[in-house]
Amino acid sequence: DAKTTQPNSMESNEEEPVHLPCNHSTISGTDYIHWYRQLPSQGPEYVIHGLTSNVNNRMASLAIAEDRKSSTLILHRATLRDAAVYYCILRDSLSYNTDKLIFGTGTRLQVFP
Amino acid sequence: DAGVIQSPRHEVTEMGQEVTLRCKPISGHDYLFWYRQTMMRGLELLIYFNNNVPIDDSGMPEDRFSAKMPNASFSTLKIQPSEPRDSAVYFCASRRQGTNTEAFFGQGTRLTVV
Repeated sequence: DAKTTQPNSMESNEEEPVHLPCNHSTISGTDYIHWYRQLPSQGPEYVIHGLTSNVNNRMASLAIAEDRKSSTLILHRATLRDAAVYYCILRDSLSYNTDKLIFGTGTRLQVFP
Repeated sequence: DAGVIQSPRHEVTEMGQEVTLRCKPISGHDYLFWYRQTMMRGLELLIYFNNNVPIDDSGMPEDRFSAKMPNASFSTLKIQPSEPRDSAVYFCASRRQGTNTEAFFGQGTRLTVV
């Protein structure tokens, strides 16, 4: 399975944009990039996913590099509620392994008032 | 929908006792997953089901662990006998069939084995 690399931790101030990077240099052409986050004392929750084009939803934006070897989750205006561990996950659309979500260590985001 | 429901939320038991964790997935979801989370090992996938059939149990740590899904609306994860190293938060998740369908997680069961 292709692996992802994320910084262990990042910090932000409230109402500032946050760019959370993810490296996936061994990504295959059929791998989708998924992001989940885990708020304190809760289960993970879905944030966004994409393949090649940049994606936007009500929670965040996903910017995918042209060579797809890296991506960035963008929180446009961080709030205190965005403090969480953010996981970048690859899912192969052509493999039975796409059934599974395998979590790495993620990035712990701290947001300061 | 109430989401994925897990019970109990907290469980404290003595070493050697049997522990049963329960999960009710979201109605209509085809997949059910059991995860375990610890500080040392992070989130680990233990086992998952598709249409009530176990597909991959390679993450189950030992024979002391077993999971069942007798019907589409209920699953259990049993540990017998329990040991202190089983202390963790156990999450259940479910999702619909499809390559990029999102998984929905329950609130978890915090298990402490003393």
